[in-house]
Amino acid sequence: AQSVTQLDSHVSVSEGTPVLLRCNYSSSYSPSLFWYVQHPNKGLQLLLKYTSAATLVKGINGFEAEFKKSETSFHLTKPSAHMSDAAEYFCVVSAPYSSASKIIFGSGTRLSIRP
Amino acid sequence: DSGVTQTPKHLITATGQRVTLRCSPRSGDLSVYWYQQSLDQGLQFLIQYYNGEERAKGNILERFSAQQFPDLHSELNLSSLELGDSALYFCASSVGDNANYGYTFGSGTRLTVV
Repeated sequence: AQSVTQLDSHVSVSEGTPVLLRCNYSSSYSPSLFWYVQHPNKGLQLLLKYTSAATLVKGINGFEAEFKKSETSFHLTKPSAHMSDAAEYFCVVSAPYSSASKIIFGSGTRLSIRP
Repeated sequence: DSGVTQTPKHLITATGQRVTLRCSPRSGDLSVYWYQQSLDQGLQFLIQYYNGEERAKGNILERFSAQQFPDLHSELNLSSLELGDSALYFCASSVGDNANYGYTFGSGTRLTVV
Protein backbone atom coordinates (compact mmCIF):
# COMPACT_ATOMS: atom_id res chain seq x y z
CA ALA A 1 0.00 0.00 0.00
CA GLN A 2 1.11 3.54 -0.63
CA SER A 3 0.31 6.88 0.87
CA VAL A 4 1.56 10.43 0.73
CA THR A 5 1.30 13.20 3.29
CA GLN A 6 1.91 16.84 2.58
CA LEU A 7 2.71 18.22 5.98
CA ASP A 8 1.57 21.79 5.40
CA SER A 9 -1.68 22.84 3.77
CA HIS A 10 -0.44 26.41 3.41
CA VAL A 11 3.03 27.95 3.32
CA SER A 12 3.71 31.67 3.10
CA VAL A 13 7.16 33.12 2.38
CA SER A 14 8.55 36.48 1.37
CA GLU A 15 9.77 37.05 -2.16
CA GLY A 16 13.48 36.24 -2.41
CA THR A 17 13.51 33.86 0.58
CA PRO A 18 13.83 30.06 0.41
CA VAL A 19 10.86 27.78 -0.13
CA LEU A 20 10.39 24.41 1.58
CA LEU A 21 7.32 22.27 0.89
CA ARG A 22 7.33 19.04 2.85
CA CYS A 23 6.19 15.63 1.65
CA ASN A 24 6.41 12.26 3.39
CA TYR A 25 5.50 9.03 1.71
CA SER A 26 4.86 5.41 2.51
CA SER A 27 5.38 2.67 -0.04
CA SER A 28 5.80 -1.09 -0.10
CA TYR A 29 7.97 -0.74 -3.18
CA SER A 30 10.81 1.47 -4.25
CA PRO A 31 8.61 4.41 -5.20
CA SER A 32 8.41 6.85 -8.04
CA LEU A 33 7.81 10.35 -6.69
CA PHE A 34 6.62 13.49 -8.42
CA TRP A 35 5.85 17.11 -7.69
CA TYR A 36 3.21 18.93 -9.71
CA VAL A 37 2.27 22.61 -9.63
CA GLN A 38 -1.19 24.02 -10.29
CA HIS A 39 -1.60 27.72 -10.92
CA PRO A 40 -5.07 29.23 -10.42
CA ASN A 41 -7.57 28.04 -13.03
CA LYS A 42 -4.91 25.94 -14.75
CA GLY A 43 -4.12 22.27 -15.07
CA LEU A 44 -1.33 20.53 -13.19
CA GLN A 45 2.18 20.81 -14.56
CA LEU A 46 4.97 18.34 -13.82
CA LEU A 47 7.76 20.08 -11.87
CA LEU A 48 10.09 17.13 -11.36
CA LYS A 49 10.19 13.38 -10.87
CA TYR A 50 12.28 10.80 -9.03
CA THR A 51 12.43 7.32 -10.54
CA SER A 52 15.33 5.66 -8.70
CA ALA A 53 18.17 7.51 -10.39
CA ALA A 54 19.94 10.41 -8.62
CA THR A 55 18.45 11.21 -5.22
CA LEU A 56 18.67 14.97 -5.81
CA VAL A 57 16.29 15.85 -8.60
CA LYS A 58 16.29 19.17 -10.39
CA GLY A 59 13.10 20.43 -11.95
CA ILE A 60 11.80 23.41 -13.80
CA ASN A 61 11.74 27.01 -12.55
CA GLY A 62 14.62 26.46 -10.12
CA PHE A 63 12.88 23.85 -7.96
CA GLU A 64 14.57 20.71 -6.70
CA ALA A 65 13.72 17.83 -4.41
CA GLU A 66 15.76 15.28 -2.52
CA PHE A 67 14.71 11.68 -2.07
CA LYS A 68 15.62 10.53 1.45
CA LYS A 69 14.78 6.88 1.92
CA SER A 70 15.73 6.79 5.59
CA GLU A 71 13.31 9.63 6.32
CA THR A 72 10.70 8.58 3.70
CA SER A 73 10.65 12.18 2.54
CA PHE A 74 10.69 14.02 -0.77
CA HIS A 75 10.68 17.69 0.16
CA LEU A 76 10.52 20.39 -2.52
CA THR A 77 12.84 23.38 -2.24
CA LYS A 78 13.76 26.54 -4.07
CA PRO A 79 16.52 28.92 -2.97
CA SER A 80 14.68 32.15 -3.74
CA ALA A 81 10.92 32.55 -4.12
CA HIS A 82 9.40 34.56 -6.93
CA MET A 83 5.91 36.01 -7.05
CA SER A 84 5.10 33.70 -9.96
CA ASP A 85 5.68 30.68 -7.69
CA ALA A 86 2.38 31.34 -5.90
CA ALA A 87 0.34 28.20 -6.66
CA GLU A 88 -0.84 24.85 -5.31
CA TYR A 89 1.78 22.09 -5.17
CA PHE A 90 1.03 18.38 -5.16
CA CYS A 91 3.34 15.55 -4.12
CA VAL A 92 2.58 12.24 -5.83
CA VAL A 93 3.74 8.69 -5.12
CA SER A 94 3.44 5.56 -7.20
CA ALA A 95 5.07 2.18 -7.59
CA PRO A 96 7.11 2.11 -10.81
CA TYR A 97 4.98 1.13 -13.80
CA SER A 98 1.96 0.67 -11.60
CA SER A 99 -1.67 1.11 -12.56
CA ALA A 100 -3.01 4.65 -12.60
CA SER A 101 -5.41 3.63 -9.84
CA LYS A 102 -2.41 3.21 -7.54
CA ILE A 103 -0.96 6.65 -8.16
CA ILE A 104 -1.63 8.68 -5.04
CA PHE A 105 -1.86 12.49 -5.05
CA GLY A 106 -1.24 14.41 -1.84
CA SER A 107 -3.81 16.88 -0.59
CA GLY A 108 -1.78 19.84 -1.81
CA THR A 109 0.17 22.74 -0.29
CA ARG A 110 -0.84 26.26 -1.20
CA LEU A 111 2.23 28.48 -1.52
CA SER A 112 1.74 32.22 -1.02
CA ILE A 113 4.47 34.75 -1.73
CA ARG A 114 4.57 38.04 0.20
CA PRO A 115 6.02 41.06 -1.65
CA ASP B 1 -0.12 25.20 -23.79
CA SER B 2 0.49 21.64 -22.56
CA GLY B 3 -0.74 19.99 -25.77
CA VAL B 4 -3.72 18.37 -24.02
CA THR B 5 -6.95 20.05 -25.09
CA GLN B 6 -10.12 19.95 -23.05
CA THR B 7 -13.49 21.34 -24.06
CA PRO B 8 -15.55 23.04 -22.91
CA LYS B 9 -13.68 25.10 -20.31
CA HIS B 10 -16.83 25.86 -18.35
CA LEU B 11 -20.16 24.11 -18.18
CA ILE B 12 -23.24 25.04 -16.15
CA THR B 13 -26.12 22.59 -16.14
CA ALA B 14 -29.09 21.57 -14.02
CA THR B 15 -29.48 18.56 -11.78
CA GLY B 16 -30.60 15.44 -13.58
CA GLN B 17 -29.02 16.45 -16.87
CA ARG B 18 -26.30 14.73 -18.88
CA VAL B 19 -23.10 16.32 -20.17
CA THR B 20 -20.12 15.23 -22.25
CA LEU B 21 -16.59 16.42 -21.63
CA ARG B 22 -14.02 16.07 -24.39
CA CYS B 23 -10.26 15.58 -24.30
CA SER B 24 -7.64 15.42 -27.03
CA PRO B 25 -4.33 14.02 -25.77
CA ARG B 26 -0.90 15.41 -26.55
CA SER B 27 0.34 14.34 -29.95
CA GLY B 28 1.91 10.87 -29.70
CA ASP B 29 0.36 10.00 -26.34
CA LEU B 30 -1.74 6.85 -26.31
CA SER B 31 -3.10 6.99 -22.76
CA VAL B 32 -5.82 9.27 -21.49
CA TYR B 33 -6.65 9.63 -17.82
CA TRP B 34 -9.64 11.39 -16.26
CA TYR B 35 -9.50 13.02 -12.84
CA GLN B 36 -12.03 14.86 -10.71
CA GLN B 37 -10.83 17.67 -8.46
CA SER B 38 -13.06 19.02 -5.73
CA LEU B 39 -12.35 21.01 -2.60
CA ASP B 40 -13.41 18.29 -0.20
CA GLN B 41 -12.05 15.22 -2.00
CA GLY B 42 -8.92 16.54 -3.66
CA LEU B 43 -7.77 14.93 -6.90
CA GLN B 44 -9.55 11.62 -7.56
CA PHE B 45 -8.64 9.23 -10.36
CA LEU B 46 -11.66 8.19 -12.41
CA ILE B 47 -10.56 6.08 -15.38
CA GLN B 48 -7.75 5.43 -17.88
CA TYR B 49 -7.84 4.42 -21.51
CA TYR B 50 -4.87 3.19 -23.50
CA ASN B 51 -5.11 3.03 -27.28
CA GLY B 52 -8.86 2.67 -27.18
CA GLU B 53 -9.14 0.15 -24.37
CA GLU B 54 -10.02 0.68 -20.74
CA ARG B 55 -6.84 0.10 -18.72
CA ALA B 56 -7.60 1.16 -15.15
CA LYS B 57 -10.59 2.21 -13.15
CA GLY B 58 -10.72 4.34 -10.05
CA ASN B 59 -13.53 5.87 -8.07
CA ILE B 60 -15.82 6.38 -11.02
CA LEU B 61 -19.55 6.42 -10.33
CA GLU B 62 -21.90 4.21 -12.33
CA ARG B 63 -23.56 7.38 -13.63
CA PHE B 64 -20.26 8.27 -15.30
CA SER B 65 -18.80 6.58 -18.35
CA ALA B 66 -15.97 7.23 -20.76
CA GLN B 67 -14.54 6.04 -24.01
CA GLN B 68 -11.52 6.61 -26.22
CA PHE B 69 -12.02 6.83 -29.95
CA PRO B 70 -9.75 5.58 -32.79
CA ASP B 71 -8.27 9.07 -33.19
CA LEU B 72 -7.36 8.79 -29.47
CA HIS B 73 -9.57 11.60 -28.23
CA SER B 74 -11.66 10.71 -25.23
CA GLU B 75 -15.06 11.68 -23.89
CA LEU B 76 -16.31 11.54 -20.32
CA ASN B 77 -20.08 11.29 -20.02
CA LEU B 78 -21.74 12.37 -16.79
CA SER B 79 -25.44 11.61 -16.38
CA SER B 80 -28.19 12.15 -13.80
CA LEU B 81 -26.08 15.00 -12.49
CA GLU B 82 -26.21 15.92 -8.83
CA LEU B 83 -25.06 19.06 -7.03
CA GLY B 84 -22.12 17.10 -5.65
CA ASP B 85 -20.80 16.45 -9.14
CA SER B 86 -19.76 20.09 -9.38
CA ALA B 87 -15.98 19.99 -9.73
CA LEU B 88 -13.03 20.50 -12.01
CA TYR B 89 -12.57 17.59 -14.37
CA PHE B 90 -9.06 17.09 -15.72
CA CYS B 91 -7.81 14.98 -18.54
CA ALA B 92 -4.17 13.93 -18.65
CA SER B 93 -2.18 11.94 -21.16
CA SER B 94 1.01 9.89 -21.32
CA VAL B 95 2.91 8.02 -24.00
CA GLY B 96 2.72 4.55 -22.53
CA ASP B 97 0.15 2.66 -20.54
CA ASN B 98 1.45 3.93 -17.22
CA ALA B 99 2.39 7.32 -15.88
CA ASN B 100 5.84 6.36 -14.68
CA TYR B 101 7.34 9.40 -16.36
CA GLY B 102 4.54 11.74 -15.36
CA TYR B 103 1.37 13.04 -16.90
CA THR B 104 0.63 15.98 -19.14
CA PHE B 105 -2.54 17.62 -17.90
CA GLY B 106 -5.10 19.70 -19.74
CA SER B 107 -6.45 22.91 -18.25
CA GLY B 108 -9.68 21.25 -17.16
CA THR B 109 -13.42 21.64 -17.49
CA ARG B 110 -15.19 23.39 -14.63
CA LEU B 111 -18.61 21.80 -14.18
CA THR B 112 -21.23 23.58 -12.13
CA VAL B 113 -24.47 21.75 -11.41
CA VAL B 114 -27.29 24.01 -10.23
